[in-house]
Amino acid sequence: GAVVSQHPSWVICKSGTSVKIECRSLDFQATTMFWYRQFPKQSLMLMATSNEGSKATYEQGVEKDKFLINHASLTLSTLTVTSAHPEDSSFYICSANAVGTEAFFGQGTRLTVV
Amino acid sequence: GQQLNQSPQSMFIQEGEDVSMNCTSSSIFNTWLWYKQDPGEGPVLLIALYKAGELTSNGRLTAQFGITRKDSFLNISASIPSDVGIYFCAGSRTGSTLGRLYFGRGTQLTVWP
Repeated sequence: GAVVSQHPSWVICKSGTSVKIECRSLDFQATTMFWYRQFPKQSLMLMATSNEGSKATYEQGVEKDKFLINHASLTLSTLTVTSAHPEDSSFYICSANAVGTEAFFGQGTRLTVV
Repeated sequence: GQQLNQSPQSMFIQEGEDVSMNCTSSSIFNTWLWYKQDPGEGPVLLIALYKAGELTSNGRLTAQFGITRKDSFLNISASIPSDVGIYFCAGSRTGSTLGRLYFGRGTQLTVWP
């Protein structure tokens, strides 16, 4: 089946630095990718919808200047957490849609800001 | 934003027992989905339901799309240790798994051997 790969799987960074997370669709072209955030024992909360070649659509309450999303190609979307702080520590998950197929999720990225 | 009410929040059962969990919403969804998430992994789709009243099975898993389009349930029969994980319901207002998904809070399933 279709595969969505996230990189890195986990990252530890210092407070104030920026972290980039990649989401790749390995064997299909994804016109739309979604970025979710999940706190421990909580549900997945949608952060933004990313369409290839256009600006991402952010959910209410999500700071677009802090969570920069770039969807430059049909197989790659990136999420950059800028000036990360400990409260940004979370599990970030992407999903990718291809036309006529189900949505596939990446394996997630565990971000820890110290 | 819209959130689905999923219950129970957690279940502790013995291997071989059947499991049932459900999800309700105050608004209509055109697609209901059930996912399983293992620790440190992304969700994996178990069953997708596209029609009100639809009953679909996938091995030991059975799920139904409620007639009102506001609820769904998932049953797991004869549970085994590898069923352990968090099960999420999700709804989509589109008629497919594409588009924005709204997730329930999850049901943590623990299976004792």
